[in-house]
Amino acid sequence: AQSVTQLDSHVSVSEGTPVLLRCNYSSSYSPSLFWYVQHPNKGLQLLLKYTSAATLVKGINGFEAEFKKSETSFHLTKPSAHMSDAAEYFCVVSDRWTNAGKSTFGDGTTLTVKP
Amino acid sequence: NAGVTQTPKFQVLKTGQSMTLQCAQDMNHNSMYWYRQDPGMGLRLIYYSASEGTTDKGEVPNGYNVSRLNKREFSLRLESAAPSQTSVYFCASSEILGQSSYNEQFFGPGTRLTVL
Repeated sequence: AQSVTQLDSHVSVSEGTPVLLRCNYSSSYSPSLFWYVQHPNKGLQLLLKYTSAATLVKGINGFEAEFKKSETSFHLTKPSAHMSDAAEYFCVVSDRWTNAGKSTFGDGTTLTVKP
Repeated sequence: NAGVTQTPKFQVLKTGQSMTLQCAQDMNHNSMYWYRQDPGMGLRLIYYSASEGTTDKGEVPNGYNVSRLNKREFSLRLESAAPSQTSVYFCASSEILGQSSYNEQFFGPGTRLTVL
């Protein structure tokens, strides 16, 4: 079985400071991991994905995430927050070899960026 | 390229009414999905279709039915709507990279459904 836990439901940072959104996962086999962003009243947009290539993954808008198998983590970071980063972020796990491609979503982390 | 489109964008139903949510994708993807999103609960999978002609239950299928009409279209039907089905519904599609390895999902803009 696969599962994902987003450790913080809300994160608040000041503009220009670093962002850290934490995600732990559980997967029986080799997982694919994703981070999506959802702005208010919008659909979900892919930020970045890990599919067993490089463990440090770079995404759009300056975000990156590091896959750490020993810690079963896939934390999302950004060196300097921008006001436009305020949104809901979802960590997603998909077991590559079972579950027929079904993905499991975390409950989401709301990022607030203060001026 | 429109990506994934959903209709309608908004809908208000009375308890017991039925309706169908439509979804279409123009990316030639094999897999399609229906999710519901409730506050503080992320997205939960209702049904999915791994390929044309197949459908399967997800995490929360009760009260819903689906039809994979062709490779492009995947509809979600509520036969007798209940207030507990008030939610935002998202359709998504993805491509199979190979031997059960799945790529990212592309999402539609969502349908906001209220059941009174």
